[in-house]
Amino acid sequence: AQRVTQPEKLLSVFKGAPVELKCNYSYSGSPELFWYVQYSRQRLQLLLRHISRESIKGFTADLNKGETSFHLKKPFAQEEDSAMYYCALIQIQGAQKLVFGQGTRLTINP
Amino acid sequence: GAVVSQHPSWVICKSGTSVKIECRSLDFQATTMFWYRQFPKQSLMLMATSNEGSKATYEQGVEKDKFLINHASLTLSTLTVTSAHPEDSSFYICSASYGLGVGYEQYFGPGTRLTVT
Repeated sequence: AQRVTQPEKLLSVFKGAPVELKCNYSYSGSPELFWYVQYSRQRLQLLLRHISRESIKGFTADLNKGETSFHLKKPFAQEEDSAMYYCALIQIQGAQKLVFGQGTRLTINP
Repeated sequence: GAVVSQHPSWVICKSGTSVKIECRSLDFQATTMFWYRQFPKQSLMLMATSNEGSKATYEQGVEKDKFLINHASLTLSTLTVTSAHPEDSSFYICSASYGLGVGYEQYFGPGTRLTVT
């Protein structure tokens, strides 16, 4: 079954430090992966998708098929990065749907 | 652009009653709408997918007679929780996309918190 695992429920780093949010997946086939972000009191929104290969708000994520990972990284964390982050993949076999990980709450300390 | 609204944002109802939640795409036509449920400190779980004008496709384990979904127009989908019980208390989130299937970006609503007493 398709699954997305975010091993860290909570992650706390200091402002200016590098941050990496881990995401591993299990999927048979070529996955399409996303990172979604939910800031405090705001709705869930797309941060980036791996096929875009772009950097959003300084964040990047590289798909590593060998390690089945799609970790989200930022070299210098900002306080405004504090939020809930969800990794997700599109399941296209059978019923098409987005499968979300459990989420990681990132806190950037001043 | 691509704003999705939900109404109400929170609702309290008595056990045994029904409650309807609306999901609207305000500035685009949503061919597909999705309904998710989120328990406290847990992830979003897809309940059902609906395409405009056709019956919703429910995920395994979701009772279609309990969670009635109607997608009557390209800008409105409704979720009705029938004969609600305390275990139905949860955060319900809808999303909408331009196209069919999950290949298109989903735009999420702000969610509706349902409390059943």
